Amino acid sequence: GQNIDQPTEMTATEGAIVQINCTYQTSGFNGLFWYQQHAGEAPTFLSYNVLDGLEEKGRFSSFLSRSKGYSYLLLKELQMKDSASYLCAVRARNAGNMLTFGGGTRLMVKP
Amino acid sequence: DGGITQSPKYLFRKEGQNVTLSCEQNLNHDAMYWYRQDPGQGLRLIYYSQIVNDFQKGDIAEGYSVSREKKESFPLTVTSAQKNPTAFYLCASSPLAGPRGPVTNEQFFGPGTRLTVL
Repeated sequence: GQNIDQPTEMTATEGAIVQINCTYQTSGFNGLFWYQQHAGEAPTFLSYNVLDGLEEKGRFSSFLSRSKGYSYLLLKELQMKDSASYLCAVRARNAGNMLTFGGGTRLMVKP
Repeated sequence: DGGITQSPKYLFRKEGQNVTLSCEQNLNHDAMYWYRQDPGQGLRLIYYSQIVNDFQKGDIAEGYSVSREKKESFPLTVTSAQKNPTAFYLCASSPLAGPRGPVTNEQFFGPGTRLTVL
């Protein structure tokens, strides 16, 4: 089976930087995804990592360390609209390349 | 515009009734998925299909059924056997990963259907 852990809730201030961590245990790792989900809406794709290192996309960056089973999503210059849940999902060959999602981290951005 | 549609957005049913949620995509994706999301939790896989007329159980398939008669459509039936059906249901699709497939193979989600069983 697979196990994915991320903090349940985080709070940060507008304009600041926040890092959301995700740890996982899996066999046959084949990629890690971050999705953003606003309340009552569909998740939208943010980033994908399959090799170690940092992927940067504007204000959002995602990091992966396969040896540590660890990833983080970094959000810079926080805006109020960044208040949402952030879902970490792992794809594994041993699970038919299906995605297994963590419980999500609810981020609240305060003025 | 290409995308995934789910209807209706909100659905109310009486306990003991079967209900079918629709999911349609015009992205020409081979794979389609159904997830269930409970308040404050992540997504759990119910069923998935990688090709027409074939589908596989996910982690929580009991009390649900699906069909895949067309590439564009993957309806989900919530049966009376599902003990706690009230939830937010999300449908997704993706290209198939493979030697000639896209590297990312990300899943694209529909807007979801919120089912409440009274």
